[in-house]
Amino acid sequence: DAGITQSPRHKVTETGTPVTLRCHQTENHRYMYWYRQDPGHGLRLIHYSYGVKDTDKGEVSDGYSVSRSKTEDFLLTLESATSSQTSVYFCAISDGRLVQETQYFGPGTRLLVL
Amino acid sequence: EDQVTQSPEALRLQEGESSSLNCSYTVSGLRGLFWYRQDPGKGPEFLFTLYSAGEEKEKERLKATLTKKESFLHITAPKPEDSATYLCAVRAEGANSKLTFGKGITLSVRP
Repeated sequence: DAGITQSPRHKVTETGTPVTLRCHQTENHRYMYWYRQDPGHGLRLIHYSYGVKDTDKGEVSDGYSVSRSKTEDFLLTLESATSSQTSVYFCAISDGRLVQETQYFGPGTRLLVL
Repeated sequence: EDQVTQSPEALRLQEGESSSLNCSYTVSGLRGLFWYRQDPGKGPEFLFTLYSAGEEKEKERLKATLTKKESFLHITAPKPEDSATYLCAVRAEGANSKLTFGKGITLSVRP
């Protein structure tokens, strides 16, 4: 299994509070991604990073920010959590080479915003 | 806009009853089609990558095939432990490693 951990694994928070989710990898992969998974929508990309301090938006980035100060860590912040951000969040990594660009996923964080 | 459609949404099979899962895609230049398996409460687990039409890959009871418009995941003589959600995703040329996912197919195999 790819060395990817996510923390926390479960979180309950209240509307309006900031929340930070952490993704940590031990594979030294260049690319890291944050997705959310909701019933009826499948996996949707929030933000991704292609190197330290290099990030870009995905298709559902509103209300989220990210930071990557080290190769191994990618943080996702919900600036002011809303009930619509209740979801399961997955981190993924890939090495970014032309041929082997498979993304490997972490175990997920289940977030409930009350 | 890249699109991935998986069908059926759900499939129930008897143990040993072979079947196929479909993934239809529209993409501007395919750089890879990916199949994942996801068990409840867990992250997606990588199964296969297919890069060009005509390519096939196998793993135990699973075989993935690819044409210019769709991919099939064939399951031969399934067992209850094959029950899971199967996800299909595509990467387009110039997509900077981003994937577009389908909504998944939930497979249940009864003993």
